[in-house]
Amino acid sequence: DTGVSQDPRHKITKRGQNVTFRCDPISEHNRLYWYRQTLGQGPEFLTYFQNEAQLEKSRLLSDRFSAERPKGSFSTLEIQRTEQGDSAMYLCASSPSTGPNSPLHFGNGTRLTVT
Amino acid sequence: AQSVAQPEDQVNVAEGNPLTVKCTYSVSGNPYLFWYVQYPNRGLQFLLKYITGDNLVKGSYGFEAEFNKSQTSFHLKKPSALVSDSALYFCAVRDGVAAGNKLTFGGGTRVLVKP
Repeated sequence: DTGVSQDPRHKITKRGQNVTFRCDPISEHNRLYWYRQTLGQGPEFLTYFQNEAQLEKSRLLSDRFSAERPKGSFSTLEIQRTEQGDSAMYLCASSPSTGPNSPLHFGNGTRLTVT
Repeated sequence: AQSVAQPEDQVNVAEGNPLTVKCTYSVSGNPYLFWYVQYPNRGLQFLLKYITGDNLVKGSYGFEAEFNKSQTSFHLKKPSALVSDSALYFCAVRDGVAAGNKLTFGGGTRVLVKP
């Protein structure tokens, strides 16, 4: 079990640029989640996938944000035309089943700084 | 809608003393409750969960949590705190009957254990 892997760990970009983050879940996990966490706050749900299907998107996920999981394995989160308010830690998590009792397993996150 | 409240931003405790971190929740169906811990620049680590059964749940690193249905609470406890327990703690809830399988997190409680 290599855990959930996220790349890059840190990203600094200028306002208006596009950025893309990658998440590799635990291999047998079919659910994959994206959360956003700002400093001193709890994680906020963005979206989740069941295999390759994106089943739910938060209203936080504006049209500048898009997430994909094309083969039901790794996932990417893209932010277009970044704004300073996008600065946050982006967390990916995965879980092994559809049952409500399964905890999420988190990666170490990608910290985005928009200057 | 599901929600979680952690009423204390920070808890200070002396090493060796008991530690309690408070959490209350709101769901429309049966609650599935979780506690996570986060160290600086890291993702969230799962500590324990309540699904059903005994109201006292034991988890990792000597932590336990007590589920109280009438008070809709799920407080995290540790009988004897260590300096290494200093971290950010998050309570999370999942509604067992609501559509979707996302976890909703509280705002977090920072625990500082002083030697």
